[in-house]
Amino acid sequence: NAGVTQTPKFQVLKTGQSMTLQCAQDMNHNSMYWYRQDPGMGLRLIYYSASEGTTDKGEVPNGYNVSRLNKREFSLRLESAAPSQTSVYFCASSDVLRTGAETQYFGPGTRLLVL
Amino acid sequence: KQEVTQIPAALSVPEGENLVLNCSFTDSAIYNLQWFRQDPGKGLTSLLLIQSSQREQTSGRLNASLDKSSGRSTLYIAASQPGDSATYLCAVESTGNQFYFGTGTSLTVIP
Repeated sequence: NAGVTQTPKFQVLKTGQSMTLQCAQDMNHNSMYWYRQDPGMGLRLIYYSASEGTTDKGEVPNGYNVSRLNKREFSLRLESAAPSQTSVYFCASSDVLRTGAETQYFGPGTRLLVL
Repeated sequence: KQEVTQIPAALSVPEGENLVLNCSFTDSAIYNLQWFRQDPGKGLTSLLLIQSSQREQTSGRLNASLDKSSGRSTLYIAASQPGDSATYLCAVESTGNQFYFGTGTSLTVIP
């Protein structure tokens, strides 16, 4: 099991460029998430997908779009990158335990620098 | 909006010491609370998950407690080791699929 994988690991963009961050999980989880992590801010939820074919906004969705391509893959797109989007991006997936609670599994992160 | 706070922001202890990390949240209507560990440059690893109906969970040298009414959780680490050095984050699930994270406590265990 690879768990949650993310590509690329690191990316430098110029302001106005676009790019897509890829995420895949092989644990057959229904729910997937995109977070950004900034110093002093903690992780903030950008978008999530509770199941294949559905997506919902999180706390900070502006400037981003997502696609839940299938059960395994959940991509995050920056249409026109801005320096404020410089951050570390984490993808996660979650499993509903027998007890009904959800535990999240995280990918290694993508470090994005927008100049 | 749920606010999650972790105190202290950084902690340094000698090896072998027992320690407590604190997490507080503003809205007591939570589904569960989870503690994570993050090593530098890495993703997060789940340590313990406490459902809203539970008071504590234990895993090895780790014990997490939850007091929903007061909006507090603690993570107790017994007999700390240098390998415990990492950033510890707590997260609450307030409504379905919405998770709110604290900014973390950076722990250094000195050999």
